[in-house]
This record gives sequence, structure tokens and C-alpha cells, in this order.
Amino acid sequence: DAGVIQSPRHEVTEMGQEVTLRCKPISGHDYLFWYRQTMMRGLELLIYFNNNVPIDDSGMPEDRFSAKMPNASFSTLKIQPSEPRDSAVYFCASSLEGELAGSNEQFFGPGTRLTVL
Amino acid sequence: QKEVEQNSGPLSVPEGAIASLNCTYSDRVSQSFFWYRQYSGKSPELIMSIYSNGDKEDGRFTAQLNKASQYVSLLIRDSQPSDSATYLCAVKGTGTSYGKLTFGQGTILTVHP
Repeated sequence: DAGVIQSPRHEVTEMGQEVTLRCKPISGHDYLFWYRQTMMRGLELLIYFNNNVPIDDSGMPEDRFSAKMPNASFSTLKIQPSEPRDSAVYFCASSLEGELAGSNEQFFGPGTRLTVL
Repeated sequence: QKEVEQNSGPLSVPEGAIASLNCTYSDRVSQSFFWYRQYSGKSPELIMSIYSNGDKEDGRFTAQLNKASQYVSLLIRDSQPSDSATYLCAVKGTGTSYGKLTFGQGTILTVHP
């Protein structure tokens, strides 16, 4: 398996522009997580899905942020309009939970480094 | 009080020494605990998980859990320069938060030759 795939790996945009980050979880995993990491705030959970359904979006900073998971193999995180304070590394992670899951490990993608000028 | 707190660091140890990383958590009913390692510019990777009180050893790594004290630690024996990284403690949610991991702020470890 290729692991969790994220695109793009780097994104530089100007304030006010729309940004879309993409994630393909590990095949068969039933949980998908979006995190944001900054030096100041560390690793923060933004939203997570179980079987494509959003479970908890309390970490989404404001209405400018939205996330979707239209099917089990794809998710997007959209920021519209983007602001300089959104600059961070955004990670997607996936896991398989339940009795048959073994370690319940969350596997992280390589991340998208977003810079908003 | 933060849900998961780690000793702030940074922590610097000489090569060959034991590095000790500590973590406390606030949710008494938590059952699953994880240590992730993150190299600079990379994504977090799982190095240890622990679910029962006591010690769990894996090579040079030992995780320790004390649920009564709400305390998790990670010991790295015979530290190597390649162990230099940020170590993240994570606690899995229960009930309506099942599946969710809450991370501490991380401890930066430097192992110097």
C-alpha cells in the first residue's frame, strides 16, 4: 500500500484565494483525520470522519474552513478565503478501528505545507 | 488545564544515555496511549502504543503507564543521534470521541555525540 497520499505537497497562495487540499486514505481504513501543525499551537485536530461521515468538526477554526469526504478513498479540506494566519502544515491521517483492527494506529500522510502571502 | 501535557523541553542528552519523556492526561477514562516520533520536516510516525498499566518494551524503547496517576512516559535507552526528533504523546478518546487522538505539544529531544 502506498500509505496516505496528500496533494499538493507545497502550496503558496495569496491572501483571499481559495485553497483546496486533498487526501487519499489507506484503502480499507474507516477513519480519516485532518490536522494542522504550527510551531505556536502544535498539532491540532481540525475534523475527523468515520465511514465518510463527519464526526467532530469542533477543531475547524472558522467558517472559512470546510471539509468533505464524498467517498471512502478521497477527502478535501478547503479554505476560502485564505489568510496569512492559515499558513501551516496540514496533515491527513487514517486508521482502522475496531476489534479486528490490531494496533488502531493512525497513519499520517506527508503533509501539505501551506503558505499564504 | 490542557488535556495532554508533556514536559516542555527541549531535552538534550549525550549519546548512550537514557532519555526520559513524560506526559500527563486529564481524562480519567482514557484507555489507549501512543508515542509518536516526528523528524524535522516529516510527518509523525508511531513508535509505541500502550493500553495496560505497567511497562511495555520494544527494543531500546520502553513505555510506562500509570492510569491512577494519569501518567505516561517513554524511556529511550542507549540514545543515538538518530533519536533526535520531536516526541508526541497522544491519548485516544472514548465514548463519543472514540477514534480521536489528542496530542501533547511535543518534546524536542537532541542526542549529542
